[in-house]
Amino acid sequence: GQNIDQPTEMTATEGAIVQINCTYQTSGFNGLFWYQQHAGEAPTFLSYNVLDGLEEKGRFSSFLSRSKGYSYLLLKELQMKDSASYLCAVRDWGSSNTGKLIFGQGTTLQVKP
Amino acid sequence: DTEVTQTPKHLVMGMTNKKSLKCEQHMGHRAMYWYKQKAKKPPELMFVYSYEKLSINESVPSRFSPECPNSSLLNLHLHALQPEDSALYLCASSPSALAVQETQYFGPGTRLLVL
Repeated sequence: GQNIDQPTEMTATEGAIVQINCTYQTSGFNGLFWYQQHAGEAPTFLSYNVLDGLEEKGRFSSFLSRSKGYSYLLLKELQMKDSASYLCAVRDWGSSNTGKLIFGQGTTLQVKP
Repeated sequence: DTEVTQTPKHLVMGMTNKKSLKCEQHMGHRAMYWYKQKAKKPPELMFVYSYEKLSINESVPSRFSPECPNSSLLNLHLHALQPEDSALYLCASSPSALAVQETQYFGPGTRLLVL
């Protein structure tokens, strides 16, 4: 089966660092994505990992361990505008030979002054 | 142009109405997707079109009918919907649905209310 878990809510302080974890179980893993979604808006792409290790993009970094079925998104120097839902999504290669994204429930991050 | 556009932004319809949602991209992407998202829930995949052919239908009820007239356009035809179909409908596109490192880019969505 397919299962993606991430915390429902997190709170952090402006200027701090926060780590959002994601664990997954899928049958045909082919990459892990992180998306940011502000309330009422579309998800926007943040990062992609397919090999083990850390990918860094400015204030955002994402880590993947395929053997552990584990990823995290690290947000540094938090800003108020980072308050949003963060979606972990795994690309699953189904029987149709077409990759599809399976999303976790999302982590709502609230950044406080 | 790195944008996926969707129209309308908002739609209110009765259970006997027929309406269509439209999605357009001019990034040369050959894969397009329809997702449904309920409040405080993640997007759920409905359909995938790859090279203008339907490649995935996630057991969606027949009252939802997708159409891909060409590589830039994706429609979702709605007929005899139920109130529980009220949701945000997101369109996405990616360069192809076949390669490994393909990021999906989402449109702003159509917020649908079925009365």
